[in-house]
Amino acid sequence: DSGVTQTPKHLITATGQRVTLRCSPRSGDLSVYWYQQSLDQGLQFLIQYYNGEERAKGNILERFSAQQFPDLHSELNLSSLELGDSALYFCASSVQAEAGGYNEQFFGPGTRLTVL
Amino acid sequence: GENVEQHPSTLSVQEGDSAVIKCTYSDSASNYFPWYKQELGKRPQLIIDIRSNVGEKKDQRIAVTLNKTAKHFSLHITETQPEDSAVYFCAAVITPFRTGNQFYFGTGTSLTVIP
Repeated sequence: DSGVTQTPKHLITATGQRVTLRCSPRSGDLSVYWYQQSLDQGLQFLIQYYNGEERAKGNILERFSAQQFPDLHSELNLSSLELGDSALYFCASSVQAEAGGYNEQFFGPGTRLTVL
Repeated sequence: GENVEQHPSTLSVQEGDSAVIKCTYSDSASNYFPWYKQELGKRPQLIIDIRSNVGEKKDQRIAVTLNKTAKHFSLHITETQPEDSAVYFCAAVITPFRTGNQFYFGTGTSLTVIP
């Protein structure tokens, strides 16, 4: 167990709908990352938050948004869902110094999203 | 942006043999290169990493080499065991000062170790 929790574990919804995925980082970790893992595209970095602020963006669609709250948990919002959004969504957290740099990140168990 | 290529996509080796997975990257700003192991149905886990100021790093049966000039890095697993069977991902990370970390992953290598 990495200490990172994600809810829900599974989510089944229909095209056009909106869902929210939740992540709680390890105690003390200020940085949260979101990833999408689909069969045909591998692991893709979506976005990073540090202490409530967006810090880096990857291949995140405009239909997707995220935020990190004062208690450091994070939510990934996916709207106008399409069949191709079906994937495993991971969040990861790490200790990260304000000055940047990198520390090992710990992945949560993932949320499996199925769009029908 | 950064582009990471990973080869091979699948790899089968006999138990006890070595396995080598190679990655190339395009952006010279990448300065951190982690490798992850993902077992079926589980989360990715960091197994080894290397920073751009180091050419080689070893941890027991696992080693990573980095050639910054050629922009490629490799994972070496020696004396492979059946429990090494998993999907391995390389990543190139750009870590600018005072901003976030941008991750770029390879497409993964499915390693099977045959007993």
